[in-house]
Amino acid sequence: QSALTQPHSVSGSPGQSVTISCTGTNSDVGGYTYVSWYQQHPGKAPKLMIYDVNKRPSGVPDRFSGSKSGNTASLTISGLQADDEADYYCCSYAGNFAFAVYVFGTGTKVTVL
Amino acid sequence: QLQLQESGPGLVKTSDTLSLTCTVSGGSITTTSYYWSWIRQPPGKGLEWIGSTFYSGGDFYSPYLKSRVTISVDKSNDQFSLKLTSVTAADTAIYYCARQGDSGSTGCFGSWGQGILVTVST
Repeated sequence: QSALTQPHSVSGSPGQSVTISCTGTNSDVGGYTYVSWYQQHPGKAPKLMIYDVNKRPSGVPDRFSGSKSGNTASLTISGLQADDEADYYCCSYAGNFAFAVYVFGTGTKVTVL
Repeated sequence: QLQLQESGPGLVKTSDTLSLTCTVSGGSITTTSYYWSWIRQPPGKGLEWIGSTFYSGGDFYSPYLKSRVTISVDKSNDQFSLKLTSVTAADTAIYYCARQGDSGSTGCFGSWGQGILVTVST
């Protein structure tokens, strides 16, 4: 399983929306609803922002939303804020009936202009 | 509130075995529906899933690391451990322990430790 493909960077001004794509294959993103997204600030551990494609854990603002179409998942951040500046990683289940495997994306740096 | 804390040596010699422990507090490692995982991140690079385990058995490992990795559980101390053999400089990374199963989904890593930097050097 190769890493899922994400854009290296995206940027937006405060208040704008940005969307990060995460492209995989039929064996991972396209085959399951276990797609999750993580936010990582410098020097910190990743934080779960979206799970099961489009669900938000308690405490995550509804400015963050997820979706999936075919082999590509997306994370949209609406109403961009300064604190949203961070690295974002997608993750997908990629296993089968015999074993479980998880694969992360290459990561995207979000810059708030 | 659940807390995960990694511990172990920060420096390992090339070809030796890397051994780390994750201590779980604020919850029990034997709680059903949770898997316990290790994930690593080389300095300045992306995340890599290493493997996951269930407290009563059932381990899953990255196919790229499977031949060198063992994850085990110590139920009496609410800890789980990682062993990675025959390490090289490519294994230098921040190692995170994490829990799967938060929010009712085993398809994500909902709780993370702060991470521990392990450097492999001669």
